[in-house]
Amino acid sequence: GAVVSQHPSRVICKSGTSVKIECRSLDFQATTMFWYRQFPKQSLMLMATSNEGSKATYEQGVEKDKFLINHASLTLSTLTVTSAHPEDSSFYICSATGLAGGRETQYFGPGTRLLVL
Amino acid sequence: AQSVTQPDIHITVSEGASLELRCNYSYGATPYLFWYVQSPGQGLQLLLKYFSGDTLVQGIKGFEAEFKRSQSSFNLRKPSVHWSDAAEYFCAVDTGTASKLTFGTGTRLQVTL
Repeated sequence: GAVVSQHPSRVICKSGTSVKIECRSLDFQATTMFWYRQFPKQSLMLMATSNEGSKATYEQGVEKDKFLINHASLTLSTLTVTSAHPEDSSFYICSATGLAGGRETQYFGPGTRLLVL
Repeated sequence: AQSVTQPDIHITVSEGASLELRCNYSYGATPYLFWYVQSPGQGLQLLLKYFSGDTLVQGIKGFEAEFKRSQSSFNLRKPSVHWSDAAEYFCAVDTGTASKLTFGTGTRLQVTL
């Protein structure tokens, strides 16, 4: 149980285009989803917290107009990188929270590698 | 503010040897602690978690961790490492705010045959 998927797993795009990444909880309903960014050989950096039916909460320094988040249902959140540039190239990981042992636990997706040319 | 420290950036052990990865946290209240493992190019997999109760918790793949409040530590252990355990290991603490996690910087484990 507690499987989270991401699509696509890898995407290459031209500078200036927009890219949408989907995050789905496959076998549970997630009250909250999180989006992270990870640079090579570094830890995860939280970008935003997403709750179904409400606006995402962005961490300090993350451009909300650049990284659009839509949480349409209890099993789907999307991250759209708008007008992508080479510096947006990174590994993007989502997580979804589910109840385990009486406490919400984050379950992570496999990640999406974005390369902007 | 809460923080998580993983003092060892890189550890190399021989296959079959025992392993201990260190994790220290700074948090004012009762912590909720996690260990995750990440293989190259993959997402994070939950190894184990501590919420309350028995301070020695068992996880998947033969891993265990012990919560020591007096030392503010949550070290991960495995008695006999397998080559497939080579990966990046992250310790994390639940901040208590909307289940947000604070991650350590990670420890890269290399296993020699």
